[in-house]
Amino acid sequence: SAVISQKPSRDICQRGTSLTIQCQVDSQVTMMFWYRQQPGQSLTLIATANQGSEATYESGFVIDKFPISRPNLTFSTLTVSNLSPEDSSIYLCSAGSSGETQYFGPGTRLLVL
Amino acid sequence: SQKIEQNSEALNIQEGKTATLTCNYTNYSPAYLQWYRQDPGRGPVFLLLIRENEKEKRKERLKVTFDTTLKQSLFHITASQPADSATYLCALPSNDYKLSFGAGTTVTVRA
Repeated sequence: SAVISQKPSRDICQRGTSLTIQCQVDSQVTMMFWYRQQPGQSLTLIATANQGSEATYESGFVIDKFPISRPNLTFSTLTVSNLSPEDSSIYLCSAGSSGETQYFGPGTRLLVL
Repeated sequence: SQKIEQNSEALNIQEGKTATLTCNYTNYSPAYLQWYRQDPGRGPVFLLLIRENEKEKRKERLKVTFDTTLKQSLFHITASQPADSATYLCALPSNDYKLSFGAGTTVTVRA
């Protein structure tokens, strides 16, 4: 299994600003993913964070709005840019190596005013 | 893409009873299906994985079945306890290991 930590755990931001979320895994993993979970909703995959190359985004999510970095096998960042109240959500990082089980971080709760 | 439906949004049961949750999907049958538990304010925690050639899988008081003909998985919590109160999510993979999640069923176990 893997232990995932995220920073910050929560933040309140003004519209038009950006927030960068960090995800750290305690072991080297093959895959890292970023999800969004809006209040009362299930998880929606934003993108797959690829080590050393550009992230792979799901339909409806674009790099300009959600730039992602993954400089090595244990760390990734997600930036939510040009924030609007609609971006208020929980952002979750997950990781896995077997291609099956994913381990999730505790999430980052974002409120945009 | 898969459409995943989990039965009711909420399930309230008496301690000691069995909770049964349903996960139905509409398109292709995946090679495996997973169940996760999510507590308020926390990320999902992996519980069980069942493969397409497995009819049933057990882990302690949890039992999962997988019927590829019906395109359905059932998740059972036997001898339920108040500590089992949480939201349970089913998840199906695509060919490249990306997971699609159902909306979840919130279980409340009354003492």
